Amino acid sequence: EAGVTQFPSHSVIEKGQTVTLRCDPISGHDNLYWYRRVMGKEIKFLLHFVKESKQDESGMPNNRFLAERTGGTYSTLKVQPAELEDSGVYFCASSQGIWAFHTGELFFGEGSRLTVL
Amino acid sequence: GQQLNQSPQSMFIQEGEDVSMNCTSSSIFNTWLWYKQEPGEGPVLLIALYKAGELTSNGRLTAQFGITRKDSFLNISASIPSDVGIYFCAVAGFGNEKLTFGTGTRLTIIP
Repeated sequence: EAGVTQFPSHSVIEKGQTVTLRCDPISGHDNLYWYRRVMGKEIKFLLHFVKESKQDESGMPNNRFLAERTGGTYSTLKVQPAELEDSGVYFCASSQGIWAFHTGELFFGEGSRLTVL
Repeated sequence: GQQLNQSPQSMFIQEGEDVSMNCTSSSIFNTWLWYKQEPGEGPVLLIALYKAGELTSNGRLTAQFGITRKDSFLNISASIPSDVGIYFCAVAGFGNEKLTFGTGTRLTIIP
């Protein structure tokens, strides 16, 4: 069974440009999370989807970030316009049950590394 | 927001040595988690702790949930090359699913 897949694995863009990151969760997983790690810092929660609905978007940094999950399958995270401080690794995770992290059933993708020059 | 202080930030050890890292918080939590991120991969859960004072092992890894519920430590015994990676502590909030992670401990094994 395929795990959580993210695309692209690495993106290098200039300040002011737009980037769209994509996450394909494990099939059947209703819960989808986006996290971000800025270099050397903690992994920070961005938002949580349950199917196509945003359950919690309290971690989104500002309105330059837009996350969607049309149809409740894959999700995209768009950054427009990108700023230098947006550089980091963006992780997507998915689970079937909402307390899945207790049992290790919360699965992370490999991450999309974003470099803004 | 909530913040976890994780230390050390990095460790350089020789194969066979034991490793110890810890995480502290100013707030009380009911669940402490330890994750490992290997190069080019996403974080993977190593150990989950649910009760204050609990000591749990997973092979050569041992983790404890502090009695005050504000800290946790992770020990790795007899390190091997595949232990290389970044180790993160994490806590779960009350009544929500989002995790708060520590800043990570990067483990490097010197040949």
